[in-house]
This record gives sequence, C-alpha cells and structure tokens, in this order.
Amino acid sequence: DAKTTQPPSMDCAEGRAANLPCNHSTISGNEYVYWYRQIHSQGPQYIIHGLKNNETNEMASLIITEDRKSSTLILPHATLRDTAVYYCIVSPVSNDYKLSFGAGTTVTVRA
Amino acid sequence: SQTIHQWPATLVQPVGSPLSLECTVEGTSNPNLYWYRQAAGRGLQLLFYSVGIGQISSEVPQNLSASRPQDRQFILSSKKLLLSDSGFYLCAWRWGTGAGGELFFGEGSRLTVL
Repeated sequence: DAKTTQPPSMDCAEGRAANLPCNHSTISGNEYVYWYRQIHSQGPQYIIHGLKNNETNEMASLIITEDRKSSTLILPHATLRDTAVYYCIVSPVSNDYKLSFGAGTTVTVRA
Repeated sequence: SQTIHQWPATLVQPVGSPLSLECTVEGTSNPNLYWYRQAAGRGLQLLFYSVGIGQISSEVPQNLSASRPQDRQFILSSKKLLLSDSGFYLCAWRWGTGAGGELFFGEGSRLTVL
C-alpha cells in the first residue's frame, strides 16, 4: 500500500477552517484516500474517503489533487471537539482490505 | 443498525497470565473483522484480520492469536502475556463486500501487563 506523509501537529482557531494536508505520492490508480480521526482514548472514527473527485459530507470536505499525489482534509468550522489525531490512509478496496494507520496529525483547536 | 461491542473495557494482568478479549458485531452478517493495538503514544498497529469464520490472517508475529468461532465474534488471546503486550486493543468491522471501505471501531480494551 502507498505510504502517506502528514505533519505531526497543527493548531487551529475555533470557528475557523482547518486544512490538514497529506502527501501520498506513490498512490496507485486503485487506491482510495481515507481520513479517520481518533479522539483521546476512543476508537478511530471514519470521516471521509475519495478516489479522484472531491468529496463533501456533514463532517468535512476532501480535496484531492488532479495527479492524486496529495490531498487536503478541510474541517469548515473547527470546534474544540475536533481536537484529535487525524489519520490519512491510502488503500485499495478488496475483500481482504486492511487499513494501516500511521502517526497522523495531532490537531489542537484553541478557543 | 449495526453495533460493535468489546469487553472487558479495562484489565490489569500479571506477566505470564493468559488473555482473552472478545468482540461481537450485531446487525450485519459476514463482516470483515480486525484487531488493532495501540501502544501508549503510538499509532495503530494491525494485528489480525478475518474475512470469514475460521479465516484468520496475522499481520505481525507475536505471542497473540485470534479466532473467529462464529460469524460475528472475534476473539484475541494469549497464553502468556508479556510486558510489551500492554496497550489499547481495538476491534473493528467493515462490510464484507462493496466499495464503501469504512471501518467501524469498538470502544477498545485497555490492557496493562504488570
């Protein structure tokens, strides 16, 4: 599976948009980009995923570059409850598919 | 709706003692099941996954084992715990087929080996 590179940490202000970058320069054509987050002492929570097109749901937006070598997760209006570790993962979808979580980005939302 | 349950939530075990963590999923059939471990301050490490009853794939050699005696039951075991087995153990499931790909995680079991 392709590897991802994320900044280890970032701060953002409450109420502002948070833009979380992820590099995945070795991504293959059949690999999706997934984002999860893990609030302290809880299991990870799915946020969003995409293949080529930009995606949006009630939690976030995912912007994937045209060459698919990088992506950005956007939290439109960050709240204190969005403080968490955010994981960017690339993986193909197959019957035995599995996700490998790296170190992620620790996002701290400040009032 | 689908739910996933893990137990026990926390446990403290002496070195050399056995371990059994249980995970069950409700509201779905033939899910893919996963065990992850998270050491303190670290990322998640995939330990085992299963695509069906009796089918277990191991990702990392260790003194742990997994079993899937029923379609929606996944058990993580050890005969003799090591100090290094301490951590936060997470069970997860996903639909067995389809392109959704979302993993649903349980609340986790925190193991301390003394």
